[in-house]
Amino acid sequence: QQPVQSPQAVILREGEDAVINCSSSKALYSVHWYRQKHGEAPVFLMILLKGGEQKGHEKISASFNEKKQQSSLYLTASQLSYSGTYFCGTESGSNYKLTFGKGTLLTVNP
Amino acid sequence: SQTIHQWPATLVQPVGSPLSLECTVEGTSNPNLYWYRQAAGRGLQLLFYSVGIGQISSEVPQNLSASRPQDRQFILSSKKLLLSDSGFYLCAWTLKGTKGELFFGEGSRLTVL
Repeated sequence: QQPVQSPQAVILREGEDAVINCSSSKALYSVHWYRQKHGEAPVFLMILLKGGEQKGHEKISASFNEKKQQSSLYLTASQLSYSGTYFCGTESGSNYKLTFGKGTLLTVNP
Repeated sequence: SQTIHQWPATLVQPVGSPLSLECTVEGTSNPNLYWYRQAAGRGLQLLFYSVGIGQISSEVPQNLSASRPQDRQFILSSKKLLLSDSGFYLCAWTLKGTKGELFFGEGSRLTVL
């Protein structure tokens, strides 16, 4: 079952913060986050395993609430380079099969 | 280092014609391999995945098929294309035994007319 992402789109000014949410109706084993620039392949950002951990690098971090079957991606002090479509991918078991949401289009303007 | 190659990058095909997209991974062995399709408004849709030679799992009933004739080669095919097969096709791989990232190929943009 495809995870649900929200919002579908968000427009920011450089320096503003954003949160992208991902929720599933199934119990989750892991959540992946990817960013895709227009016309390019998706690029891995981070993975969170069940256990409620939080990860981050630089100004992008994420949390995973296993009980609620939800994950959130936090982008702080956004930069122009953050623009793109963000996808969450979920795995319901240790089966190497990732199901992606429809994506969130993030636009960062000067 | 590992690399993934996918071709052709772009193709325009008439309805009813056959299709063959090829993906090859270098620098690793026994990877899990995936075909995803990206159509407008539907995000990344998993079509097929393979954990080994000759082992293919289909996720969505459709007009397409996949094969893995060699360890690091994954092929997406169709005997007769439909208009609805248009989209951006992405091959990806991951290492077994890890919970690491999916590595995507450059993608193949298919337009069926």
